[in-house]
Amino acid sequence: DQQVKQNSPSLSVQEGRISILNCDYTNSMFDYFLWYKKYPAEGPTFLISISSIKDKNEDGRFTVFLNKSAKHLSLHIVPSQPGDSAVYFCAASFRGATNKLIFGTGTLLAVQP
Amino acid sequence: DTGVSQDPRHKITKRGQNVTFRCDPISEHNRLYWYRQTLGQGPEFLTYFQNEAQLEKSRLLSDRFSAERPKGSFSTLEIQRTEQGDSAMYLCASSLPQGGQYFGPGTRLTVT
Repeated sequence: DQQVKQNSPSLSVQEGRISILNCDYTNSMFDYFLWYKKYPAEGPTFLISISSIKDKNEDGRFTVFLNKSAKHLSLHIVPSQPGDSAVYFCAASFRGATNKLIFGTGTLLAVQP
Repeated sequence: DTGVSQDPRHKITKRGQNVTFRCDPISEHNRLYWYRQTLGQGPEFLTYFQNEAQLEKSRLLSDRFSAERPKGSFSTLEIQRTEQGDSAMYLCASSLPQGGQYFGPGTRLTVT
């Protein structure tokens, strides 16, 4: 039972354009959502998070949008840079960020120079 | 900057052998987590500790798996009688009571 889904295994974007990564979830009890970036041979690196009481959170080039009615969140990267090329994981948790995280399967982002 | 460290980074073992991995969290973090990641999947939760207390264990953590955090600092994850299906990346993360989880580089286990 995949509670967090990333339906696009890969995405290719030109440098300078917007990257939009999508994530859907099934459990309406999730109250905290996070995005992690992972390079090969490294552990996931935290990018940005959002609480279920908000619908948008922004940090520099990264913005996460949450649509609770659709059980959907997205990560926008503007402008995209070649160094952003990595696997991006969406994760969700109950009762805040310090409990177990439930991850999606990831989306491989390739930013073309 | 001392982040989460894991040792070893790679382990190749024969089926049926026991293996033990170590995780050293960020020093002031009192929560420590273990996850497992297989090819094409996201990390899957295994267990977590608050200080030395193991607060939750996943159904994925069969009786061949045991995790400890004896003094509330580093943690070990032991797999007994390894099987080929145990081949995966084992990730450790740590956090403060209110804060995000910071991951280590992982230990890649290959069971032949």
